Order: sequence, then C-alpha cells, then structure tokens
Amino acid sequence: AQKVTQAQTEISVVEKEDVTLDCVYETRDTTYYLFWYKQPPSGELVFLIRRNSFDEQNEISGRYSWNFQKSTSSFNFTITASQVVDSAVYFCALSGGDYGQNFVFGPGTRLSVLP
Amino acid sequence: DGGITQSPKYLFRKEGQNVTLSCEQNLNHDAMYWYRQDPGQGLRLIYYSQIVNDFQKGDIAEGYSVSREKKESFPLTVTSAQKNPTAFYLCASKGARKGNQPQHFGDGTRLSIL
Repeated sequence: AQKVTQAQTEISVVEKEDVTLDCVYETRDTTYYLFWYKQPPSGELVFLIRRNSFDEQNEISGRYSWNFQKSTSSFNFTITASQVVDSAVYFCALSGGDYGQNFVFGPGTRLSVLP
Repeated sequence: DGGITQSPKYLFRKEGQNVTLSCEQNLNHDAMYWYRQDPGQGLRLIYYSQIVNDFQKGDIAEGYSVSREKKESFPLTVTSAQKNPTAFYLCASKGARKGNQPQHFGDGTRLSIL
C-alpha cells in the first residue's frame, strides 16, 4: 500500500524566514512520481512540481526548492524568504501503479506566514 | 483556456434530498476524480474513473454516486444516505493513463445542510 506522511500539521513563520515542509512516502512500486500542491484560502489546488523516482536531482524554481532523497523516502519542500502570499495548505502526493491509478495525498501542512 | 469547471460554487441541501455536483473538463483527460475535504483535513477519495462508462469506488464512496457517460463530464450525486455531507468537494482530472501526470483540480463546491 502507498502512504504519504506530512508530520507537520501547522507551521508559522515570520515573513522572510526560510521554511521547510517535510514529506515522507511509502511505496512498493519501483517507478513512482511525487508531487507538491498548494491550496490557498480560496480552496483550489495548484500543482507545483512533479518528480520521477529515478531522478534525484534537486530542483529550484525561484524561492521554491525541492529535495528528493530515495534513501530516506523523502521529498521535502523549502520556501526561501517566505512571503505572506505563501500562506496556504501544502499537500505532498504520490502516484504509482501502471496507470498512475494509485494516487495518494498526504494530510497536508498548513503554513502561516506572518507579516 | 483549458481547465476544469465545477458548479455550483456553493450548494445547500435539505434533509432527505439528493443533490448533484457538476464537473466538466475540456483538457481531453481520460481520468477524473472526486475528493471530499472536511475543514482542516486532507483529501479523501470518493470515486474515480479511468475511462468513459467505467468508475471505481474510492475510500469513502458510501452515500455517493457518479456517472461517466461522456469523457468531459463526471457528475457526483450526494444522496440522502450520506448523513454528513457538509464539506468541500473537489473534482480533478488527469491526462493519459500514466503515473507521471499530475491531477488538475477545479475550484471546488462547498456543500452545506440547511
């Protein structure tokens, strides 16, 4: 069975601080995909990034960076110099199976960035 | 612009009433999903469909029904058997039958009991 754990339920930081959101996953699939989504207060889920299981290269996009480590089954998300607009719930997700039918979301981490 | 449209944005249900939530996509995606989100909680899968005329139950299908008569549409009916329907409902779709495709989401429908 697949499982995604986001141990941090809520995080509060002051604007301009760096913050890391943790994601640990479990899967028996040899090929799988990891995703991060952002859910702002308005409710819609916004896709942020996808990572393949066979590509452990870290990725940076502006103030966002992702650290994928297969050895620890983790796919952590760091926001550098956080801003109030980063306040949202962030979900980590895992996709496996031949057709990606096993799509599992973590419970989410609520990030509050205070001015 | 391609995307997923959910309607209505807000919906109120009376006791004993069935209500249907609409989800339409013009992304030409094969797979579609319905999730329920309770306040402060994560997403729970209600139903999903990989192809037209076929769908499977998710983790919390009791009290819900779906149909997939067209590729573009995946309506969700909340039946009177669902005793606690108040929640935020999200529809998603995914292109191709491959694991590397992300799910794309609509803006959601907030359902409340009158």
